[in-house]
Amino acid sequence: DIVMTQSPDSLAVSLGERATINCKSSQSLLHSFNNKNYLGWFQQKRGQPPKLLIYWASTRESGVPDRFSAGGSGTDFTLTISSLQAEDVAVYYCQQYHTSPYTFGQGTKLEIK
Amino acid sequence: EVQLVESGGGLVQPGGSLRLSCAASGFTFGTYWMHWVRQAPGKGLVWVSRINTDGRSAVYADSVKGRFTISRDNAKNTLYLEMHSLRADDTGVFYCVRETTTFDYWGLGTLVTVSS
Repeated sequence: DIVMTQSPDSLAVSLGERATINCKSSQSLLHSFNNKNYLGWFQQKRGQPPKLLIYWASTRESGVPDRFSAGGSGTDFTLTISSLQAEDVAVYYCQQYHTSPYTFGQGTKLEIK
Repeated sequence: EVQLVESGGGLVQPGGSLRLSCAASGFTFGTYWMHWVRQAPGKGLVWVSRINTDGRSAVYADSVKGRFTISRDNAKNTLYLEMHSLRADDTGVFYCVRETTTFDYWGLGTLVTVSS
């Protein structure tokens, strides 16, 4: 199975400041036939289901604010929130959909400092 | 509007069975692969199972293989998860999820509690 490891486990950032979450996979998520990384990022607010933010490692889902950006390739990926807003408080998960079982990172809890 | 509404959760004793359902609307259900994902209380997300569009191909997490069966009825726009030999570590919210490039729509989930 592909193991997904996020860092840090928790993060406290001041409003308006940048937040960065890292995700590392135990195997490359880059498919050679289409040159795409099979990596997604999800946001889960308390009491709600997860919401897709990013797919193909860097493509923002429709309706997601542009303060959310992501990048990386192969085994190392990053989610960045450029200017933290109060409504961004949540747990963030990365997920690989390269190979079954489709594993998630353990989650990163983002709070306001 | 895409909607996924799960039902069928509840309290069940260890070794018992449950059948979860997910009613889909707002999209052409039969053209999408579908998944179940579990979240134990206060814990992270764990993928459980996936089914293809015509229901002939399914894959499972090792932890549920042989105990759970995913199926679908495209005429009824409904996804199912039949669960047997339930264990305490099966406890959690089960989400029905649609796949496009990845998991783009999630239901609100249904809570399964396995306890005596």
